[in-house]
Amino acid sequence: SQTIHQWPATLVQPVGSPLSLECTVEGTSNPNLYWYRQAAGRGLQLLFYSVGIGQISSEVPQNLSASRPQDRQFILSSKKLLLSDSGFYLCAWLGTVPSPLHFGNGTRLTVT
Amino acid sequence: SQQGEEDPQALSIQEGENATMNCSYKTSINNLQWYRQNSGRGLVHLILIRSNEREKHSGRLRVTLDTSKKSSSLLITASRAADTASYFCATDPYNNNDMRFGAGTRLTVKP
Repeated sequence: SQTIHQWPATLVQPVGSPLSLECTVEGTSNPNLYWYRQAAGRGLQLLFYSVGIGQISSEVPQNLSASRPQDRQFILSSKKLLLSDSGFYLCAWLGTVPSPLHFGNGTRLTVT
Repeated sequence: SQQGEEDPQALSIQEGENATMNCSYKTSINNLQWYRQNSGRGLVHLILIRSNEREKHSGRLRVTLDTSKKSSSLLITASRAADTASYFCATDPYNNNDMRFGAGTRLTVKP
């Protein structure tokens, strides 16, 4: 069966520090991968999605970046965090359409 | 940018009552999906309805889709306190791979 792992669960980082959030998927191959951000009490904002290794589509210009070095690995990064980067970050994968998105448990990032 | 928009933003009902949430979207879609999110957790898929379907049932859930109006509704019958959560619709646009979500409806079911 397929599983998705996202870590860490919580993270507190100072302004200006770097960020690396990792997401891995097991039990499937060539999935679409997604990074979403959710502000407190709000909906999900699509940040990046990837349809294959090295292929990244960015939705919102910001100081975040994403990479997909392996088929089932998706990484969200920043060189210098801003206060506005605080939020709940969710990774998800999508199989062959039509199929639902499968979400990880999320990372709660607080930038202080 | 968001694709779907749910309304109402918040809904409070008594246990046993029905809850109806609506979703509107802007572009043509392959399918529309509804998800549930408990506070501080990831989203869980509830139901998927394809663009050529008009209604779908799953247990106490009933989803309708009107592609001419670009809208969908989620009905939860005989609600329970455990149904308290946020509910989101998401659309899978034609020829795109970006799944977009609305702002969600926060449902509170009072025991």
